[in-house]
Amino acid sequence: GAGVSQSPRYKVAKRGQDVALRCDPISGHVSLFWYQQALGQGPEFLTYFQNEAQLDKSGLPSDRFFAERPEGSVSTLKIQRTQQEDSAVYLCASSSQPQGSQETQYFGPGTRLLVL
Amino acid sequence: AQTVTQSQPEMSVQEAETVTLSCTYDTSESDYYLFWYKQPPSRQMILVIRQEAYKQQNATENRFSVNFQKAAKSFSLKISDSQLGDAAMYFCAYRTPYGSSNTGKLIFGQGTTLQVKP
Repeated sequence: GAGVSQSPRYKVAKRGQDVALRCDPISGHVSLFWYQQALGQGPEFLTYFQNEAQLDKSGLPSDRFFAERPEGSVSTLKIQRTQQEDSAVYLCASSSQPQGSQETQYFGPGTRLLVL
Repeated sequence: AQTVTQSQPEMSVQEAETVTLSCTYDTSESDYYLFWYKQPPSRQMILVIRQEAYKQQNATENRFSVNFQKAAKSFSLKISDSQLGDAAMYFCAYRTPYGSSNTGKLIFGQGTTLQVKP
């Protein structure tokens, strides 16, 4: 596809349920980022992949959050035992290469997660 | 740690007029990148303009330009000839160059909601 896609666009979960959010980056993009955006706030970094390697997971808020990118393309963010404070928009972004002055992160439309 | 501050939660501009959105940041690094992103109500984040810290010349993209003051750690966005389609939330973002201790993640400000009045 031409851009970053994410699915589902909306997800309602009952507290305690597990959820999986998918990101399809732009084809060939090496770098992939996940961000969490609370209502009315700026996005906050969660984790970073370079190809299939997860090089930075310092932003993951708890061990209930897990991300993977097994083949270096599609990535999945999994949240176990969801809590109400997990309600947010989850944004995925990709860029063509980790280095170089031309690197720009391109964002997907996000997945809006509501935990009841 | 690097921080980004946008002190204007909301701004309003008349169509065809000019508006400036403010952004300040804090860093101890000398080489970095700054961005302005636009997020319309549909929530797709779109890059508006970028600035490399080593470049003294202010970046310009059509009606959008920045005033980059490195010593003051200020990075404001000027929108000229405002259009109804410019209405959105605007985020200022800071990124460190990729390196052994940096992954190129973006650090965002809180955002400024821009309203454009017809």
